[in-house]
Amino acid sequence: RKEVEQDPGPFNVPEGATVAFNCTYSNSASQSFFWYRQDCRKEPKLLMSVYSSGNEDGRFTAQLNRASQYISLLIRDSKLSDSATYLCVVNGNNAGNMLTFGGGTRLMVKP
Amino acid sequence: DVKVTQSSRYLVKRTGEKVFLECVQDMDHENMFWYRQDPGLGLRLIYFSYDVKMKEKGDIPEGYSVSREKKERFSLILESASTNQTSMYLCASSFPQGAGGELFFGEGSRLTVL
Repeated sequence: RKEVEQDPGPFNVPEGATVAFNCTYSNSASQSFFWYRQDCRKEPKLLMSVYSSGNEDGRFTAQLNRASQYISLLIRDSKLSDSATYLCVVNGNNAGNMLTFGGGTRLMVKP
Repeated sequence: DVKVTQSSRYLVKRTGEKVFLECVQDMDHENMFWYRQDPGLGLRLIYFSYDVKMKEKGDIPEGYSVSREKKERFSLILESASTNQTSMYLCASSFPQGAGGELFFGEGSRLTVL
């Protein structure tokens, strides 16, 4: 079993739709969680951290379920510019040097 | 803005050649990393360094070595390139513990080994 698993997609949604991705992780000792965004042929960039209480940043909402060992990302009112691959990242320690990346979920928002 | 610069965007090498991939960051970050990214496999950690002259193996260090002689520079070395090392190589840097774990990536170096 992979340490961090994501549905690779692609998720094809119309503009304005709400879309959600899940990511499961196997290490119950994992301490920090993140969503990164990677545009085609570009480097990954941090989208948002995922806090235990859940957090929201504009149209994006991230949630953590420690009991079931998954994190989620919800995107409301999808824009064409949201088309990208979303990477789930799990940090196994506070030193920030045990980051494990999921394979990514590709989102395509269509007009 | 943080800038992580990788020396070459595209390289084509022959089997058995020695390959150097250079990475420089300008934010005085302690941590630096080398990943490779392959379709279906995601990003996999090759080596990381948390200080000058320090290095730690990641998940897939075989066939690679690294050098960190200066804080801002982290080099990845393929002693004898093989076709299975054809990949996208991404360098990243970050602050040490307690900083939330944000990684800043370079634009990547796409290596093809013939």
